[in-house]
Amino acid sequence: GDSVTQMEGPVTLSEEAFLTINCTYTATGYPSLFWYVQYPGEGLQLLLKATKADDKGSNKGFEATYRKETTSFHLEKGSVQVSDSAVYFCALTSFGNEKLTFGTGTRLTIIP
Amino acid sequence: EAGVAQSPRYKIIEKRQSVAFWCNPISGHATLYWYQQILGQGPKLLIQFQNNGVVDDSQLPKDRFSAERLKGVDSTLKIQPAKLEDSAVYLCASSLGGDTQYFGPGTRLTVL
Repeated sequence: GDSVTQMEGPVTLSEEAFLTINCTYTATGYPSLFWYVQYPGEGLQLLLKATKADDKGSNKGFEATYRKETTSFHLEKGSVQVSDSAVYFCALTSFGNEKLTFGTGTRLTIIP
Repeated sequence: EAGVAQSPRYKIIEKRQSVAFWCNPISGHATLYWYQQILGQGPKLLIQFQNNGVVDDSQLPKDRFSAERLKGVDSTLKIQPAKLEDSAVYLCASSLGGDTQYFGPGTRLTVL
């Protein structure tokens, strides 16, 4: 079945550091890929998505590129801020199936 | 536009008691989802509705969990009787039928 493997956390970085959170997936066909973010005390919010190979999703300075050859969708940001502290979830939906399959989440803490 | 509404936000019950959660999706969204998020894990789909019909309930523990969406708008999820392992955050999400799901703030259930 479909699965998502996410970088183990927690991750702690200093403000303005470069961020990478790794995500790889297993799915039949051509899934759509997502990053969701959960800020403290809030619900899940869609951060970015990509629906086909080589697409790049971007939002709020975050980027992720759909790499079919490596079945990966790593999240990156060039300079993190304290306000980026949250839990980040990588997820996918398979073609013809709207069910989201999530990774386990990565807790990110940015220190000033 | 109002987001997905859920209530209550928190609930504490003893094992073997029953509990119900309510969700009101974004207006016009035909598809509604209930997810269970156990601490330290990613959300897992319990049930998916399309209007008032069930699309996928393969992961719903039907001996104790039930859900309905009678008028194709709001939905309730019930657990009866609750077990300790049901302690989790129950997330409701809705979508227009495309890829993007919008999540509510969740209900945190603690079973003692």
